[in-house]
Amino acid sequence: EVQLLESGGGLVQPGGSLRISCAASGFAFNSYAMSWVRQAPGKGPEWVSGFNIAGDRTYYTDSVKGRFTISRDTSSDTLYLQMHSLRAEDTAVYYCAVSSGWIFDYWGQGTLVTVSS
Amino acid sequence: EIVMTQSPATLSVSPGERATLSCRASQSLTSNLAWYQQKPGQAPRLLIYGASTRATGIPAKFSGSGSGTEFTLTISSLQSEDFAVYYCQQYNNWPTFGQGTKLEIK
Repeated sequence: EVQLLESGGGLVQPGGSLRISCAASGFAFNSYAMSWVRQAPGKGPEWVSGFNIAGDRTYYTDSVKGRFTISRDTSSDTLYLQMHSLRAEDTAVYYCAVSSGWIFDYWGQGTLVTVSS
Repeated sequence: EIVMTQSPATLSVSPGERATLSCRASQSLTSNLAWYQQKPGQAPRLLIYGASTRATGIPAKFSGSGSGTEFTLTISSLQSEDFAVYYCQQYNNWPTFGQGTKLEIK
């Protein structure tokens, strides 16, 4: 059974930094593409960043380029999202997802990131 | 960016009836469209991909159709567990989602 468990969310001030994690299990982590998708309160989901299957290419939506960095540790089957220069509009539940061709097959339960002073 | 527009924003349907949800893309997707269901406090769940292929474990009561820029999700014989928010998502380009249709009990 695929399991994705996010952690590390919390309250951070504008301009601050935060790293969130996603512990994966139940599948071959280094054989699947992975993504971060966020959802602001009352809004539809928004794809944020992703890895290709090989894990050697990363992708970002325009609004986070230069501020967010996606990474992964295949020794611990963990996906990360390092976020810098956080803004109020980054406030959302952040989900990690197993993706195939940008179809989001499995999702974690999410971790809430709140950017506020 | 491909903009996805869902209609209606809210759909009220009686249990046992059929619901028809619409999704329009700002440019052609061929069949690169997925549908997700989201219940309160839960993550979205993949229902349909390729516009009409049900994901693993999804019952036949959920069906998708359409191509190009116009797509439809049909849910037959509505039961209480089907009332939720539904999102369409395109993956013809960098992925984008619609704003959702809330399916509520009439």
